[in-house]
Amino acid sequence: QSALTQPASVSGSPGQSIAISCTGTSSDLGDYKYVSWYQQHPGKAPKLMIYDASNRPSGVSDRFSGSKSGNTASLTISGLQAEDEANYYCLSYTTTNTRVFGGGTKLTV
Amino acid sequence: QVQLVESGGGMVQPGRSLRLSCAASGLTFRNYGMHWVRQAPGKGLEWVSFIRHDDSNRWYGDSVKGRFTVSRDNSKNMVFLQINSLRAEDSAVYYCATDRNDHYFDHWGQGTLVTVSS
Repeated sequence: QSALTQPASVSGSPGQSIAISCTGTSSDLGDYKYVSWYQQHPGKAPKLMIYDASNRPSGVSDRFSGSKSGNTASLTISGLQAEDEANYYCLSYTTTNTRVFGGGTKLTV
Repeated sequence: QVQLVESGGGMVQPGRSLRLSCAASGLTFRNYGMHWVRQAPGKGLEWVSFIRHDDSNRWYGDSVKGRFTVSRDNSKNMVFLQINSLRAEDSAVYYCATDRNDHYFDHWGQGTLVTVSS
């Protein structure tokens, strides 16, 4: 199972908006809306930010939003803040009931 | 609140075995499937294994199939990962995480570091 494709890095200035893409295949992203996004600061455990493509868990800022179309999912962060600087990973369910992560995107604010 | 605590990591020689543990609290453990995820130093997240809440099924990533075995003890609120024939490329922080509806991972432990070196 190959990793989902994410850009290695994105950057933005405080207050701006950015989007991180996550591209898969018909064996994972293409068949399901079960994509989730995780934020990871250096030395810390990942934190769930978006689930089922566009749902936000309780306690996550509404500056974070997600979408999915076909084989590609996207995470958008609006009103960038310094604390958003982190690595972001997408995750998808697959047709064989395994899971696959994206390669990760380093966000620089 | 939900707490997951991994243990059992350390430095081990290539070819040896290791058993990682994950102790859960603050949730009805028997209702949750559990995942193991690893992260090599400076690298991204890699999904390793999943065990259903009732141990009815187990799944593994291609890179660990045949060497890793996931198990659980619902009476002790614990999940385990047995790693055999350790290789240098198994060096990583290993995290356990709770599964929600087969869709996503909602709680994570802080991880345990495994270093494979002679």
